[in-house]
Amino acid sequence: EAGVAQSPRYKIIEKRQSVAFWCNPISGHATLYWYQQILGQGPKLLIQFQNNGVVDDSQLPKDRFSAERLKGVDSTLKIQPAKLEDSAVYLCASSLVRGPVSYEQYFGPGTRLTVT
Amino acid sequence: AQSVTQLDSHVSVSEGTPVLLRCNYSSSYSPSLFWYVQHPNKGLQLLLKYTSAATLVKGINGFEAEFKKSETSFHLTKPSAHMSDAAEYFCVVTLFTGGGNKLTFGTGTQLKVEL
Repeated sequence: EAGVAQSPRYKIIEKRQSVAFWCNPISGHATLYWYQQILGQGPKLLIQFQNNGVVDDSQLPKDRFSAERLKGVDSTLKIQPAKLEDSAVYLCASSLVRGPVSYEQYFGPGTRLTVT
Repeated sequence: AQSVTQLDSHVSVSEGTPVLLRCNYSSSYSPSLFWYVQHPNKGLQLLLKYTSAATLVKGINGFEAEFKKSETSFHLTKPSAHMSDAAEYFCVVTLFTGGGNKLTFGTGTQLKVEL
C-alpha cells in the first residue's frame, strides 16, 4: 500500500511570510496527526484529527498555526505569519482506529521548513 | 502526565558489537511503549512496541526491548550492530485518547556504527 505522502519536501521562506503543507494519509486511516520536530528534539504533536474533527490541538499555537481536514482525507497545515523559531521538520502521520484499539502510526517523510 | 527520558544523546559502537539504547519512562497509567527509528531524510519507522503482553518484545532487524516496571525502563538492545543501524532512535510512551494514540517522544539517541 502507498505510504503517507507529504509536500513540499523542502520550503524556505522569510519571517512574517505564510506557508502551507499538505498531507495525504494512507487510504482508510481515520486518524491523522501533525507533528513538529525541531532539530535535536523528538517530534511534538501539534494536532490530531479523527476523520474531519479535531481530537487534540492543545499544543498548536493557534495565533499563527491552523490546520484543516475538510473531507476526512487530506489535510493542510498553515503557518501565518512565520517566525524564525518555526524552522523545523513538519511530520504527518496516520493510523487506523477501531473501537478502543488503536493501531500503529505511519509517518510521512516530512517537510523541512527553514525560516530566514 | 507521561514522559520518557533517553539517557544518552549519542551512542557509538563498532560493527558486530552489542547495542544498548537506554530509556526510562514516567506514566500515570499502565503505559504502552514504542521504539521508533529515523534514518536521514526518511520517515519514522516503528521498531517494536510493548502493550502489556510479554515483557520482552522483539522487533524488526534483530532489535528487542525489555519492559521493567520496577525500574521504569524500556531499554533497546541488539546483539550485533550493523552499519545500516546507524540512525536516530526515539523512545515513545503512548496514551490512548479515544480518537487515537497520543505519542510522547523522547529527545532521541543518535547511534553511530563504526567499522
